[in-house]
Amino acid sequence: DAGVIQSPRHEVTEMGQEVTLRCKPISGHNSLFWYRQTMMRGLELLIYFNNNVPIDDSGMPEDRFSAKMPNASFSTLKIQPSEPRDSAVYFCASGPYGGNQPQHFGDGTRLSIL
Amino acid sequence: QKEVEQNSGPLSVPEGAIASLNCTYSDRGSQSFFWYRQYSGKSPELIMSIYSNGDKEDGRFTAQLNKASQYVSLLIRDSQPSDSATYLCAPHKLIFGTGTRLQVFP
Repeated sequence: DAGVIQSPRHEVTEMGQEVTLRCKPISGHNSLFWYRQTMMRGLELLIYFNNNVPIDDSGMPEDRFSAKMPNASFSTLKIQPSEPRDSAVYFCASGPYGGNQPQHFGDGTRLSIL
Repeated sequence: QKEVEQNSGPLSVPEGAIASLNCTYSDRGSQSFFWYRQYSGKSPELIMSIYSNGDKEDGRFTAQLNKASQYVSLLIRDSQPSDSATYLCAPHKLIFGTGTRLQVFP
């Protein structure tokens, strides 16, 4: 089991640039989640997919954020244009479908916007 | 009221002692409860799940759930310095508490 794979592990870019974070979920998991973690706000759900379909994106902070899941093995989270307040650790997680099933986290992407 | 409340800590306990971590939640409909451990600079790691009232034991860890009181706790027996981490309570797979930082000193 390779686990949830995220790339890049670290990203440093200048304000205004487009940022794309990538995630490969665990094979067989049909739910995928994107979280953002900061010291101030903790771990916040941004969006989640079931069977590649976005179910709840109410946590996406604003229109600058978008997420896609074109197939069962790949998802992206894009920020365009990026701002310094987007600096955080972004986690992708996957799990079996169902409310009582926990998710498994990737190693995260540490994003710094200068 | 926050959806999930945890004392941010740090909770400091000596090696070998019992560490008690507490969590309250607001959604009475929650059915699944998870505890995650997160080491500094790492991702959250599931350590316990509990679905019904009462206690669930796994090694040195015991999760306790009281749905009527909307309260879930995690006990760590024989605490070790390697247990030093932040523990996140999740009364739903989509919602996490901000975590309690545990420090176990030798």
